[in-house]
Amino acid sequence: DGGITQSPKYLFRKEGQNVTLSCEQNLNHDAMYWYRQDPGQGLRLIYYSQIVNDFQKGDIAEGYSVSREKKESFPLTVTSAQKNPTAFYLCASSIAARPLIYEQYFGPGTRLTVT
Amino acid sequence: KQEVTQIPAALSVPEGENLVLNCSFTDSAIYNLQWFRQDPGKGLTSLLLIQSSQREQTSGRLNASLDKSSGRSTLYIAASQPGDSATYLCAPNTGFQKLVFGTGTRLLVSP
Repeated sequence: DGGITQSPKYLFRKEGQNVTLSCEQNLNHDAMYWYRQDPGQGLRLIYYSQIVNDFQKGDIAEGYSVSREKKESFPLTVTSAQKNPTAFYLCASSIAARPLIYEQYFGPGTRLTVT
Repeated sequence: KQEVTQIPAALSVPEGENLVLNCSFTDSAIYNLQWFRQDPGKGLTSLLLIQSSQREQTSGRLNASLDKSSGRSTLYIAASQPGDSATYLCAPNTGFQKLVFGTGTRLLVSP
Protein backbone atom coordinates (compact mmCIF):
# COMPACT_ATOMS: atom_id res chain seq x y z
CA ASP A 1 0.00 0.00 0.00
CA GLY A 2 1.23 3.46 -0.88
CA GLY A 3 1.11 6.09 1.78
CA ILE A 4 2.78 8.20 4.43
CA THR A 5 3.91 6.76 7.73
CA GLN A 6 4.79 8.71 10.85
CA SER A 7 6.37 7.25 13.92
CA PRO A 8 5.89 7.05 16.76
CA LYS A 9 2.18 7.78 17.21
CA TYR A 10 2.78 9.15 20.73
CA LEU A 11 6.03 10.64 22.02
CA PHE A 12 6.88 11.88 25.48
CA ARG A 13 9.98 13.93 26.31
CA LYS A 14 11.40 15.95 29.14
CA GLU A 15 11.85 19.66 28.68
CA GLY A 16 15.31 20.53 27.33
CA GLN A 17 15.68 17.40 25.21
CA ASN A 18 15.77 17.36 21.43
CA VAL A 19 13.44 14.88 19.74
CA THR A 20 13.18 13.68 16.13
CA LEU A 21 9.88 12.77 14.47
CA SER A 22 9.96 10.37 11.56
CA CYS A 23 8.09 10.77 8.26
CA GLU A 24 8.40 8.30 5.38
CA GLN A 25 6.46 8.15 2.11
CA ASN A 26 6.40 5.54 -0.66
CA LEU A 27 4.29 7.60 -3.07
CA ASN A 28 7.34 8.78 -5.05
CA HIS A 29 6.38 12.36 -4.25
CA ASP A 30 8.95 15.11 -4.67
CA ALA A 31 7.50 17.55 -2.13
CA MET A 32 7.11 16.98 1.61
CA TYR A 33 5.80 19.18 4.43
CA TRP A 34 5.58 19.41 8.20
CA TYR A 35 2.63 21.03 9.98
CA ARG A 36 1.79 21.62 13.58
CA GLN A 37 -1.77 21.47 14.93
CA ASP A 38 -2.85 22.98 18.25
CA PRO A 39 -6.36 22.87 19.75
CA GLY A 40 -8.57 25.62 18.36
CA GLN A 41 -6.05 26.62 15.71
CA GLY A 42 -5.63 25.72 12.09
CA LEU A 43 -2.63 23.73 10.89
CA ARG A 44 0.51 25.83 10.60
CA LEU A 45 3.39 25.11 8.24
CA ILE A 46 6.77 24.47 9.89
CA TYR A 47 9.02 23.46 6.99
CA TYR A 48 8.63 22.20 3.45
CA SER A 49 10.89 20.56 0.90
CA GLN A 50 10.35 20.71 -2.84
CA ILE A 51 13.14 18.30 -3.70
CA VAL A 52 15.91 16.25 -2.12
CA ASN A 53 18.61 18.29 -0.35
CA ASP A 54 16.43 21.41 -0.42
CA PHE A 55 14.01 22.78 2.17
CA GLN A 56 12.45 26.11 3.14
CA LYS A 57 11.12 27.56 6.35
CA GLY A 58 7.40 27.82 6.79
CA ASP A 59 5.51 30.20 9.04
CA ILE A 60 6.69 28.83 12.40
CA ALA A 61 10.18 27.33 11.82
CA GLU A 62 11.85 28.70 14.96
CA GLY A 63 12.98 25.89 17.25
CA TYR A 64 12.69 23.23 14.56
CA SER A 65 15.11 21.68 12.05
CA VAL A 66 14.72 19.27 9.14
CA SER A 67 16.78 17.31 6.64
CA ARG A 68 15.94 15.83 3.24
CA GLU A 69 18.70 13.41 2.32
CA LYS A 70 16.38 10.91 0.66
CA LYS A 71 13.30 11.44 -1.46
CA GLU A 72 11.14 9.24 0.77
CA SER A 73 12.19 10.65 4.15
CA PHE A 74 11.74 14.06 5.81
CA PRO A 75 12.52 13.90 9.57
CA LEU A 76 11.67 16.81 11.85
CA THR A 77 13.75 17.63 14.94
CA VAL A 78 12.08 19.58 17.71
CA THR A 79 14.89 21.31 19.58
CA SER A 80 15.04 22.59 23.13
CA ALA A 81 14.74 26.10 21.67
CA GLN A 82 11.09 25.48 20.75
CA LYS A 83 9.15 27.18 23.56
CA ASN A 84 5.86 25.28 23.30
CA PRO A 85 6.62 21.94 21.65
CA THR A 86 3.60 20.00 22.90
CA ALA A 87 1.35 19.59 19.86
CA PHE A 88 0.10 17.24 17.16
CA TYR A 89 2.57 17.06 14.26
CA LEU A 90 1.47 16.15 10.76
CA CYS A 91 3.60 15.26 7.77
CA ALA A 92 2.32 15.59 4.20
CA SER A 93 3.52 15.07 0.66
CA SER A 94 2.53 16.01 -2.87
CA ILE A 95 3.68 14.91 -6.30
CA ALA A 96 5.51 18.19 -6.74
CA ALA A 97 5.50 21.74 -5.52
CA ARG A 98 5.66 23.17 -9.03
CA PRO A 99 3.73 24.17 -11.03
CA LEU A 100 1.50 24.58 -8.00
CA ILE A 101 -1.51 22.44 -8.77
CA TYR A 102 -0.95 19.23 -6.84
CA GLU A 103 -2.97 17.63 -4.08
CA GLN A 104 -1.45 17.10 -0.61
CA TYR A 105 -1.71 13.80 1.24
CA PHE A 106 -1.23 13.51 4.99
CA GLY A 107 0.21 10.96 7.40
CA PRO A 108 -1.51 9.82 10.63
CA GLY A 109 0.36 12.28 12.84
CA THR A 110 2.58 12.15 15.95
CA ARG A 111 1.36 13.55 19.25
CA LEU A 112 4.31 15.02 21.14
CA THR A 113 4.04 15.80 24.85
CA VAL A 114 6.89 17.62 26.59
CA THR A 115 6.85 17.94 30.38
CA LYS B 1 -1.63 37.41 4.48
CA GLN B 2 -4.24 34.77 3.71
CA GLU B 3 -6.81 34.22 6.44
CA VAL B 4 -9.39 31.46 6.33
CA THR B 5 -12.68 31.35 8.23
CA GLN B 6 -15.01 28.38 8.47
CA ILE B 7 -18.60 28.74 9.53
CA PRO B 8 -20.20 27.21 11.49
CA ALA B 9 -17.54 26.08 13.97
CA ALA B 10 -19.76 23.16 14.99
CA LEU B 11 -22.86 21.56 13.56
CA SER B 12 -25.13 18.83 14.88
CA VAL B 13 -27.75 17.28 12.58
CA PRO B 14 -29.93 14.16 12.41
CA GLU B 15 -29.03 11.48 9.91
CA GLY B 16 -30.33 12.06 6.39
CA GLU B 17 -30.08 15.83 6.30
CA ASN B 18 -28.35 17.69 3.49
CA LEU B 19 -25.89 20.23 4.83
CA VAL B 20 -23.56 23.01 3.75
CA LEU B 21 -20.21 23.91 5.26
CA ASN B 22 -18.80 27.33 4.48
CA CYS B 23 -15.24 28.50 3.95
CA SER B 24 -14.17 32.07 3.26
CA PHE B 25 -10.69 33.39 2.51
CA THR B 26 -9.30 36.90 2.30
CA ASP B 27 -6.85 36.58 -0.62
CA SER B 28 -8.66 35.56 -3.80
CA ALA B 29 -5.38 34.95 -5.70
CA ILE B 30 -5.45 31.20 -5.12
CA TYR B 31 -4.43 28.35 -7.39
CA ASN B 32 -6.68 25.70 -5.91
CA LEU B 33 -8.50 24.78 -2.71
CA GLN B 34 -8.60 21.47 -0.88
CA TRP B 35 -11.25 20.14 1.46
CA PHE B 36 -10.12 17.65 4.09
CA ARG B 37 -11.73 15.47 6.71
CA GLN B 38 -10.10 14.83 10.09
CA ASP B 39 -11.29 12.22 12.59
CA PRO B 40 -10.32 12.77 16.26
CA GLY B 41 -6.63 12.11 16.86
CA LYS B 42 -6.01 11.21 13.22
CA GLY B 43 -4.36 12.71 10.18
CA LEU B 44 -6.17 14.53 7.37
CA THR B 45 -7.94 12.77 4.53
CA SER B 46 -8.22 14.68 1.26
CA LEU B 47 -11.83 14.86 0.07
CA LEU B 48 -11.80 17.18 -2.92
CA LEU B 49 -9.37 19.42 -4.76
CA ILE B 50 -10.98 22.21 -6.75
CA GLN B 51 -8.88 24.19 -9.20
CA SER B 52 -9.17 27.97 -9.42
CA SER B 53 -10.60 27.62 -12.95
CA GLN B 54 -13.38 25.28 -11.75
CA ARG B 55 -16.65 26.23 -10.14
CA GLU B 56 -17.57 22.78 -8.82
CA GLN B 57 -16.08 19.40 -8.03
CA THR B 58 -18.01 16.30 -7.02
CA SER B 59 -17.14 13.04 -5.31
CA GLY B 60 -19.99 10.75 -4.33
CA ARG B 61 -22.25 12.57 -1.85
CA LEU B 62 -19.84 15.49 -1.64
CA ASN B 63 -19.90 18.58 -3.81
CA ALA B 64 -17.50 21.50 -3.44
CA SER B 65 -18.05 24.85 -5.08
CA LEU B 66 -15.63 27.72 -5.47
CA ASP B 67 -16.29 31.40 -6.03
CA LYS B 68 -12.77 32.69 -6.22
CA SER B 69 -13.64 36.34 -6.81
CA SER B 70 -15.70 36.54 -3.64
CA GLY B 71 -13.31 34.37 -1.62
CA ARG B 72 -15.78 31.61 -0.83
CA SER B 73 -16.04 27.86 -1.06
CA THR B 74 -18.80 25.57 0.15
CA LEU B 75 -18.86 21.85 0.82
CA TYR B 76 -22.25 20.26 0.33
CA ILE B 77 -22.88 16.87 1.94
CA ALA B 78 -25.96 15.05 0.72
CA ALA B 79 -27.95 12.59 2.82
CA SER B 80 -25.63 12.80 5.82
CA GLN B 81 -24.70 9.63 7.74
CA PRO B 82 -23.26 9.04 11.24
CA GLY B 83 -19.99 8.04 9.54
CA ASP B 84 -19.70 11.59 8.22
CA SER B 85 -19.07 12.82 11.78
CA ALA B 86 -15.65 14.48 11.77
CA THR B 87 -13.99 17.86 11.49
CA TYR B 88 -13.93 19.33 7.99
CA LEU B 89 -11.10 21.66 7.00
CA CYS B 90 -10.68 23.84 3.96
CA ALA B 91 -7.29 25.03 2.72
CA PRO B 92 -6.70 27.45 -0.16
CA ASN B 93 -3.36 27.23 -1.93
CA THR B 94 -1.82 30.65 -2.50
CA GLY B 95 1.38 29.40 -4.07
CA PHE B 96 4.11 26.79 -4.05
CA GLN B 97 1.81 24.32 -2.29
CA LYS B 98 1.58 26.47 0.81
CA LEU B 99 -1.85 25.63 2.11
CA VAL B 100 -3.45 27.94 4.68
CA PHE B 101 -5.94 26.13 6.88
CA GLY B 102 -9.12 27.22 8.56
CA THR B 103 -9.95 26.00 12.07
CA GLY B 104 -12.59 23.66 10.70
CA THR B 105 -16.23 22.76 11.18
CA ARG B 106 -16.90 19.97 13.66
CA LEU B 107 -19.81 17.89 12.36
CA LEU B 108 -21.88 15.45 14.39
CA VAL B 109 -24.51 13.37 12.60
CA SER B 110 -26.87 11.54 14.96
CA PRO B 111 -28.56 8.24 14.05
